[in-house]
Amino acid sequence: SQQGEEDPQALSIQEGENATMNCSYKTSINNLQWYRQNSGRGLVHLILIRSNEREKHSGRLRVTLDTSKKSSSLLITASRAADTASYFCATGLYGNNRLAFGKGNQVVVIP
Amino acid sequence: DTEVTQTPKHLVMGMTNKKSLKCEQHMGHRAMYWYKQKAKKPPELMFVYSYEKLSINESVPSRFSPECPNSSLLNLHLHALQPEDSALYLCASRTNFAGGYEQYFGPGTRLTVT
Repeated sequence: SQQGEEDPQALSIQEGENATMNCSYKTSINNLQWYRQNSGRGLVHLILIRSNEREKHSGRLRVTLDTSKKSSSLLITASRAADTASYFCATGLYGNNRLAFGKGNQVVVIP
Repeated sequence: DTEVTQTPKHLVMGMTNKKSLKCEQHMGHRAMYWYKQKAKKPPELMFVYSYEKLSINESVPSRFSPECPNSSLLNLHLHALQPEDSALYLCASRTNFAGGYEQYFGPGTRLTVT
């Protein structure tokens, strides 16, 4: 069953603006990850946040995790046309070899 | 080498054909995955191999038959598929070391069943 579920909205923003996506999940997790997928291609791992972390940064990415609300957000700052993609959150459970992917957010950055 | 390769990139097959998808990684990862992804949907897990043994089969129809001949290779044998099996098939791998949770994905095989 799907764990992570992003808000099912597509984002269309101008280059240079920030893009924020949210993800909620239902059960206790070990970690939460964000992946990017360009059209028809494989997924690329962006960032992982562990259940005992609240915020993490990687370049222009900032991810937050609120385990009390079972939610996460991904912020992409100063967006670029190359950030146009689908973004999926995925939750990893304790002692489990699998990830549960959310529905994905389509982000379009207009040059 | 942090790459997962998949061949072929595209495959068109009839419902009576037998074909195979291939996945390869040389990162020393001992967990390997097959996913199926339909357009505008998240990947759906099909199979997981851990140390070359099948550890998870998500109730996939027997017309899909996975094989892990060695720690670097993963195959998906296809036989008597249906048009609804048309999708992007993704392979991924992951280290089994503690703390290594992220999965590395290949570019996928776009499968069309006619």
